Amino acid sequence: QVQLVESGGGVVQPGGSLRLSCSASGFTFTNYGMHWVRQAPGKGLEWVTFITFDGTNKFYTDSVKGRFTISRDDSKGTLSLQMNSLRPEDTAVYYCAKDLRRGSAIFDFWGQGTLVTVSS
Amino acid sequence: QSVLTQPPSVSAAPGQKVTISCYGSNSNIGNNYVSWYQQLPGTAPKLLISDNDKRPSGIPDRFSGSKYGTSATLGITGLQTGDEADYYCGTWDSSLNVGVFGGGTRLTVL
Repeated sequence: QVQLVESGGGVVQPGGSLRLSCSASGFTFTNYGMHWVRQAPGKGLEWVTFITFDGTNKFYTDSVKGRFTISRDDSKGTLSLQMNSLRPEDTAVYYCAKDLRRGSAIFDFWGQGTLVTVSS
Repeated sequence: QSVLTQPPSVSAAPGQKVTISCYGSNSNIGNNYVSWYQQLPGTAPKLLISDNDKRPSGIPDRFSGSKYGTSATLGITGLQTGDEADYYCGTWDSSLNVGVFGGGTRLTVL
């Protein structure tokens, strides 16, 4: 069965960095695009970034462009999110989500989420 | 402000039917597939409807989706107390090249 397990969340000061990881199993990782979606405390879902099945294209929401970088390691079945210059408004639960196809922006499986808190 | 517009809340009695609307524009709903997600308290979202109206395996046929032009609707029949959750619509915006969600709708089963 499909499993997505996030790790790497924690408390970081404003301006700091954090790297999130998502370990994928139960499907052929190289056939699917992958996304990060976040949810601030008590708020709705916010799409953050997407990487195509082959890693050649990456898309970001405006608020994280130039600060966050999505990547994938197909040999390990791992999705990563490098977050730099973190701001308090980046505080959220970050979910790794599998695309239904190569790039449909339909999320058929989600991880359990990892909490990132940006605070001094 | 979310790109897609949903009502903040809806409510209905057990056994009744409810619909949740999702309004967008030509660049998102009008030209891309819509999906719907259910988020129970304290859990990750779960795909309910893909490709406007397709139910993934394991989703009861009490849940249905439709799309017309730049709007989409989620329908839930035979409401149960276990359906109390937040529901989100989502799609891709081809002009902005980003994923977009509605603000979410909280369903209360009275």
